[in-house]
Amino acid sequence: QSALTQPASVSGSPGQSITISCTGTSSDVGSFNLVSWYQKHPGTAPKVIIYEVTKRPSGVSNRFSASKSGNTASLTISGLQAEDEADYYCCSYAGSNIHLLFGGGTKVTVL
Amino acid sequence: QVQLQESGPGLVKPSQTLSLACSVSGGSISSGGDYWSWLRLHPGKGLEWIGYIYSYGSTYYNPSLKSRVTISMDKSKNQFFLKLSSMTAADTAVYFCARDWKSGTGVFDIWGQGTMVTVSS
Repeated sequence: QSALTQPASVSGSPGQSITISCTGTSSDVGSFNLVSWYQKHPGTAPKVIIYEVTKRPSGVSNRFSASKSGNTASLTISGLQAEDEADYYCCSYAGSNIHLLFGGGTKVTVL
Repeated sequence: QVQLQESGPGLVKPSQTLSLACSVSGGSISSGGDYWSWLRLHPGKGLEWIGYIYSYGSTYYNPSLKSRVTISMDKSKNQFFLKLSSMTAADTAVYFCARDWKSGTGVFDIWGQGTMVTVSS
């Protein structure tokens, strides 16, 4: 099973909005509303910022929002800030044989 | 506040078996129905789920690693473990232990700080 597909990099200016896509298949992203998103800064552990497609854990900024259409999930960061510069990974449940798939990661740069 | 801490060798020779431990503090690994997980981050590449062990003992592994992976737990020590056999350079990565609190559906809310493992002779 291949990893989920994410763009390698996305950039934006402070205050702008950016969107990161995460493309899977009808066997993973398309079958389950179980997509999560992780933010990772250098030297730190990943942090969950979205789970079950659209839900934000307590304490995560509402500038992070997400959605899903068909086999593609998307993460939007609005009001881009310098602290949002990080790597972002999507993850999808893929059934009881494969279990979990991750995307290759997207590096977000704040210009 | 549950915390996780990985421990183990930073350098492993090719063909050897990697053994890592994850110590859990601030909570019990045998309660709550959590999935105690191992993941890794390859240099310059993405995250990879290795597998997890359910609080009640069942294990689930990434199919691509299943033949080489064993995850176990010691409830008396509040630890869980990873063994990965036949290590190669492709296994060089930062290894993380983490808790999946949503029935093993990929919601990892608590992570260890990660430990770098290099495979080299």
